[in-house]
Amino acid sequence: QVQLQESGPGLVKPSGTLSLTCAVSGGSISSTKWWSWVRQPPGKGLEWIGEIYHSGRTNYNPSLKSRVTISVDKSKNEFSLKLSSVTAADTALYYCAREGSSSTNLSYYYAMDVWGQGTTVTVSS
Amino acid sequence: DIQMTQSQSSLSASVGDRVTITCQASQSIGMYLNWYQQKPGKAPKILIYAASSLQTGVPTRFSGSGSGTDFTLTISSLQPEDFATYFCQQTYNTPRTFGQGTRVEIK
Repeated sequence: QVQLQESGPGLVKPSGTLSLTCAVSGGSISSTKWWSWVRQPPGKGLEWIGEIYHSGRTNYNPSLKSRVTISVDKSKNEFSLKLSSVTAADTALYYCAREGSSSTNLSYYYAMDVWGQGTTVTVSS
Repeated sequence: DIQMTQSQSSLSASVGDRVTITCQASQSIGMYLNWYQQKPGKAPKILIYAASSLQTGVPTRFSGSGSGTDFTLTISSLQPEDFATYFCQQTYNTPRTFGQGTRVEIK
């Protein structure tokens, strides 16, 4: 079964760039799925950051779009997140997730069916 | 962006209770609504997709209903392992958006 594992620095300085990688095991990143990043500030709810398809097509949250880049490395079976100009407000638990689809009544429905365990990133000097 | 509102930030219930959690979308999203369960220190887990379809392996005491703007997650008989936070999410369009969560606590 597919498993996801986030990795990257746990501490980033203000104005710096947050960089995380999500390794995909047990399956191919080139499958017909979207690969997502979601974050959760301490004690708060979930915020969708964006997603990428293996072709390189991306969708970003407009609230973060100017600072976010999501990329895919098919040779390594992984995808990555870069968030620039970080502030304390970017301190959060960052998850990578797979968005799968199911067909019901001739429509395709999407859900994040596989998640990584999450990695905490703190923005502090 | 589509705003997802869970009117109850928390609720208290006892084992065996029937629990209902509601979610409202700011515009019609058809049945593009998912429910996730999150326990402390863990990643969210998909329970229901397409508003009412039970994810494989999820106990049948969980059910979802609704379409358009109003949705409900029901736990027919609350079990000790069900005390957690529940989030709704719309996948009608991007950006995907989540409700703020409903924490189910022990009464």
